[in-house]
Amino acid sequence: NAGVTQTPKFRILKIGQSMTLQCAQDMNHNYMYWYRQDPGMGLKLIYYSVGAGITDKGEVPNGYNVSRSTTEDFPLRLELAAPSQTSVYFCASSPRQGVTNYGYTFGSGTRLTVV
Amino acid sequence: GQQLNQSPQSMFIQEGEDVSMNCTSSSIFNTWLWYKQDPGEGPVLLIALYKAGELTSNGRLTAQFGITRKDSFLNISASIPSDVGIYFCAGQNYGGSQGNLIFGKGTKLSVKP
Repeated sequence: NAGVTQTPKFRILKIGQSMTLQCAQDMNHNYMYWYRQDPGMGLKLIYYSVGAGITDKGEVPNGYNVSRSTTEDFPLRLELAAPSQTSVYFCASSPRQGVTNYGYTFGSGTRLTVV
Repeated sequence: GQQLNQSPQSMFIQEGEDVSMNCTSSSIFNTWLWYKQDPGEGPVLLIALYKAGELTSNGRLTAQFGITRKDSFLNISASIPSDVGIYFCAGQNYGGSQGNLIFGKGTKLSVKP
């Protein structure tokens, strides 16, 4: 059982380039999330999805786009990379919200540097 | 939006010592969770709390859901070197975007053998 798989693990981009961060989960979870983690700043929610075909903005969505065509996959797209997007990106999933939610399962992260 | 204040920001302790960290919020949560992040990895869930006043243990870890629903603490007893990492609290409410987890900024724990 792989859980949440993120690729690539590391990437260096030049300013203005674009890329897609991949995220896949094999737990049949409905909810998926993208967070960025900056040193000393905790985890900030970028986008989330409550099911295939449904996405919504989180706290820091500017400069990013997402899609959710299947339950398993939730890619994050950076169209015009900027130095401010240098960060570690985490994808997470959960079965559902509510009192029986046991929290999120996180991937191991993608470390992105924009130069 | 809701914010969590997590303290301390960092701790440097001797192996065998007990550790205590806490999280406070300006508004209530229905669920509190504690995560640990090892270097180069994603956060992993340690303890989940669902009721005000609830006290839950997981091995050497003990966490409590504050009675006001605005705070939580995590204690680690008899620390060992593998306890090193960043510990995050997270709060959650129910329904729509309110159901998304809100994370504290983390407590970085260093343990000296």
